[in-house]
Amino acid sequence: AQKVTQAQTEISVVEKEDVTLDCVYETRDTTYYLFWYKQPPSGELVFLIRRNSFDEQNEISGRYSWNFQKSTSSFNFTITASQVVDSAVYFCALRANTGNQFYFGTGTSLTVIP
Amino acid sequence: GAVVSQHPSWVICKSGTSVKIECRSLDFQATTMFWYRQFPKQSLMLMATSNEGSKATYEQGVEKDKFLINHASLTLSTLTVTSAHPEDSSFYICSASQRAGIQETQYFGPGTRLLVL
Repeated sequence: AQKVTQAQTEISVVEKEDVTLDCVYETRDTTYYLFWYKQPPSGELVFLIRRNSFDEQNEISGRYSWNFQKSTSSFNFTITASQVVDSAVYFCALRANTGNQFYFGTGTSLTVIP
Repeated sequence: GAVVSQHPSWVICKSGTSVKIECRSLDFQATTMFWYRQFPKQSLMLMATSNEGSKATYEQGVEKDKFLINHASLTLSTLTVTSAHPEDSSFYICSASQRAGIQETQYFGPGTRLLVL
């Protein structure tokens, strides 16, 4: 069974603070892909990152960084020096190698207060 | 990058009418498309997998006679909500799968908001 858990339903931070969004996944597949998407109020999903199960290197892209830990089945997302424009719902998702469909977490609603 | 469009982006209809939503891959061929539904403040739930030239595969609990899916070409899949009711009001999102060699990438459409009065 495939499952993604985002335990944080809502987070509020003050602008310029760092914030980490947690994601824990379950899968029996040895090959899988993990994703983070941002969903602003408009609804359109904005792709942030894809990571395959064989690549545990952490990644940094500007103010965004991701920490992939297979040992704990986690793929956490950190925003450094948050900005008001970062306010959105963030989804972590898993795609198994078989079937190709996405399994989304329940999302974390981030509010950055000016 | 590849683009997936959905039409319409917004639709309001009366209860009992049928609504068709189109999902198009604009610059690539997609043998597989997926339809998701998202209720307010909830996650995306997969409804069905649409395969070009064959019947769609529906997830458990999704009525295939209610949500008709047609994948008539490699660039177009349609979702028809038949005899829509207020409880069908939701945000419908499609995604299209592009394969290049062993690499497979999915692209999401911008979504369609359906409001049934």
